[in-house]
Amino acid sequence: QVQLVESGGGVVQPGRSLRLSCAASGFTFSSYAMHWVRQAPGKGLEWVAVISYDGNNIYYADSVKGRFTISRDNSKSTLYLQMKSLRAEDTALYYCTRDRGILVVPPAIGYGMDVWGQGTTVTVSS
Amino acid sequence: DIRMTQSPSSLSASVGDRVTITCRASQSIRNYLNWYQQKPGKAPKLLIYSASSLQSGAPSRFSGSGSGTDFTLTVSSLQPEDFATYYCQQSYSTPYTFGQGTKLEIK
Repeated sequence: QVQLVESGGGVVQPGRSLRLSCAASGFTFSSYAMHWVRQAPGKGLEWVAVISYDGNNIYYADSVKGRFTISRDNSKSTLYLQMKSLRAEDTALYYCTRDRGILVVPPAIGYGMDVWGQGTTVTVSS
Repeated sequence: DIRMTQSPSSLSASVGDRVTITCRASQSIRNYLNWYQQKPGKAPKLLIYSASSLQSGAPSRFSGSGSGTDFTLTVSSLQPEDFATYYCQQSYSTPYTFGQGTKLEIK
């Protein structure tokens, strides 16, 4: 069945780095754009980043630009999020999601996130 | 950035009620508006995409409408499993912003 499984979360000190992974299965990973979305404890959803089907087009939320890097390995059906200079406000449950489209640019239009993983928790604390 | 504002932030209703949630964008997003349902401890699920298209597997009692800046999500007859938090999200331009959420509670 179509599935996304995140891993790599944990407790990390402010200023340190962490890499999240998302293993996809049950569909042709290379045919879809992919996102990271996060949710701080007790808060709403915050979109973090998107990468096009081929990895050539990438966009970030202002809150993570310059600190986070989204990437993908289509040969391994895996999505990544490299997080650097982590802050307390990055503490959240991080979801990997599939877009219904491929993200053709221009325009950078998304078509809704139809598959979600179960999330991996990142806690930034000293 | 495009700001998404949902109203109300919370809503109490009874099983069988018809309810409507509103989402307003700070500028036109054409019809690139999606609705998600999230239950406690679970990942969100896509209900409606492109403002009015029902996602496969979503119950037909859910419907969406709107274009430009004003959108609505309607549940025609609330069922017990519909009590959850609902989010709108624009996918017209990055950053793909979400509304703050509407918590639908049992009256």
